[in-house]
Amino acid sequence: QKEVEQNSGPLSVPEGAIASLNCTYSDRGSQSFFWYRQYSGKSPELIMSIYSNGDKEDGRFTAQLNKASQYVSLLIRDSQPSDSATYLCAVNSGYSTLTFGKGTMLLVSP
Amino acid sequence: DAEITQSPRHKITETGRQVTLACHQTWNHNNMFWYRQDLGHGLRLIHYSYGVQDTNKGEVSDGYSVSRSNTEDLPLTLESAASSQTSVYFCASSPGTGINEQYFGPGTRLTVT
Repeated sequence: QKEVEQNSGPLSVPEGAIASLNCTYSDRGSQSFFWYRQYSGKSPELIMSIYSNGDKEDGRFTAQLNKASQYVSLLIRDSQPSDSATYLCAVNSGYSTLTFGKGTMLLVSP
Repeated sequence: DAEITQSPRHKITETGRQVTLACHQTWNHNNMFWYRQDLGHGLRLIHYSYGVQDTNKGEVSDGYSVSRSNTEDLPLTLESAASSQTSVYFCASSPGTGINEQYFGPGTRLTVT
């Protein structure tokens, strides 16, 4: 059973702070990793993908991958109240299928 | 603009009835997926397709079926709806050919009474 684990939260950070979201996965053969943002009552929205060890930056978002430790993280710099959402980690678990974690709720307070 | 749509957005049905949820994408993506999302369980894969006439079972396929007659559509059928199938259903698609980013539709909230 391929598993993706996330802390359910909520993770509470003040506006302007760095939010750090973490994810571990069980399948050492996984090659692609994704972060989705889901607002309450809405569908998941892809915000980052990462395929290689190291960091990948896109605006205020940085994804970090460590395949040896089977660990993926998402950093959100200068957090805004509009970043308050549930963040889903997803890992490819087959040819093109993804296994999702249950998500971490992020609350950014003004 | 290319997009992925689902219909209906909300549906209430009775136990035992057959229900079909529609999913339509205009990205010309090869791969299409159906998930259900429930509190405490996250997103779980129901069925998926890698192309026309191809269908595969996911983690929670019992009681569901799909068919793929063209690239754009992957309807999900609940043969005999059960209360345990009350959930939010999401359709997603991805290009395939090694590109695994999935893009989600807006979802269908299904209630089985």
